[in-house]
Amino acid sequence: GAVVSQHPSRVICKSGTSVKIECRSLDFQATTMFWYRQFPKQSLMLMATSNEGSKATYEQGVEKDKFLINHASLTLSTLTVTSAHPEDSSFYICSAPWAPNTEAFFGQGTRLTVV
Amino acid sequence: DAKTTQPNSMESNEEEPVHLPCNHSTISGTDYIHWYRQLPSQGPEYVIHGLTSNVNNRMASLAIAEDRKSSTLILHRATLRDAAVYYCILRATGNQFYFGTGTSLTVIP
Repeated sequence: GAVVSQHPSRVICKSGTSVKIECRSLDFQATTMFWYRQFPKQSLMLMATSNEGSKATYEQGVEKDKFLINHASLTLSTLTVTSAHPEDSSFYICSAPWAPNTEAFFGQGTRLTVV
Repeated sequence: DAKTTQPNSMESNEEEPVHLPCNHSTISGTDYIHWYRQLPSQGPEYVIHGLTSNVNNRMASLAIAEDRKSSTLILHRATLRDAAVYYCILRATGNQFYFGTGTSLTVIP
């Protein structure tokens, strides 16, 4: 079946540095991908919608200059957390819908720890 | 933007059926009802989805009320591997998935 793969699964970075997270659709093309953030014992919060070949759409309250999204191909979207701070430590998850009225597939998530 | 209401937690005995309810009184005619589940430190996993009619697949059944203002996810025989947080989500065509708080299911051996 369709699979969405995220990389890395876990990353530790120093405060002030940038971290890039990749999200790939492995056997289908995804013109749209979604990025979520999840804090411990909380639900997933939608951060932005990544659109292939155009700018991402950010949810209210999400800083677009801090969370850079690039969707350069039909199988790859990247999220770059710039100038990371400890409060950015979280579980980041991407997803891609198989088709408009079908299920979405989720990556395994990336645990980001900023020290 | 979550438009669904679920109980925070539920318990079930192993090998018994589980009925997970979801209220979505503001559902529109084009909203699909999706269910996902999430294990700790993993991405959500698709369970089932439907529009108006009841749906069955190898994992579960989805019973949708006639007025579509509520639905129930049915796990026919709970196993320990079914212990997870279950999310009921409304999604209009082509739109994003907004997650609510979900139901944490505990399966008792």
